[in-house]
Amino acid sequence: QVQLVDSGGGVVQPGTSLRLSCAASGFTFRDYAMHWVRQAPGKGLEWVAIISKHGDNKYYADSVKGRFSISRDNFENTLFLQMNSLRAEDTAVYSCAREDYGQFYFDNWGQGTLVTVSS
Amino acid sequence: QSALTQPASVSGSPGQSITISCTGTSSDVGRYNYVSWYQQHPGKAPKLMIYDVSYRPSGVSNRFSGSKSGNTASLTISELQTEDEADYYCSSHTSSDTRVFGGGTKLTVL
Repeated sequence: QVQLVDSGGGVVQPGTSLRLSCAASGFTFRDYAMHWVRQAPGKGLEWVAIISKHGDNKYYADSVKGRFSISRDNFENTLFLQMNSLRAEDTAVYSCAREDYGQFYFDNWGQGTLVTVSS
Repeated sequence: QSALTQPASVSGSPGQSITISCTGTSSDVGRYNYVSWYQQHPGKAPKLMIYDVSYRPSGVSNRFSGSKSGNTASLTISELQTEDEADYYCSSHTSSDTRVFGGGTKLTVL
């Protein structure tokens, strides 16, 4: 069955960096676009970034553009989110989500990893 | 990249029907038939309930239906059940090739 396992979260200070991972299994990873979505404590879902199945196209939310970078390793079936210059408002549970080619919805989600930015 | 607009809360009694609206712009909801809806119970990952405005994934009850008119999409849940109590989010593809979510609607089944 499809599994997406998020990891890499933790408590960090403002201005520092963190790298999240999403390990995929149970499907052909290279055939799917992948997203990162976040949810601040007690708040709604916020889309963060998308990467195409081959990794050649990437798009970001304005709130993270220039600070976050999405990437993938189709040999290791892993999605990454490099987060730099972290701010308190980046505190959230970060989840990866899968999107089938030519579709525009999230059909499977990871369980999320909590990132807390605090001094 | 403004969030889509949803009511903060809706409520209904078991057996009744409710509708949740999701208002965007001509650059997202109004431009594409790529609106999806997600159900999220506390502490759980979101679950896809509707995609492409009105299509139900396999396994989702036919009590859930979706529609769209202009810049506003809607999710209707008929014959409300207690297990429908959850947060609901709409999402749309945008003209910038990004995605946008609504602010979420808390459904209370009285």
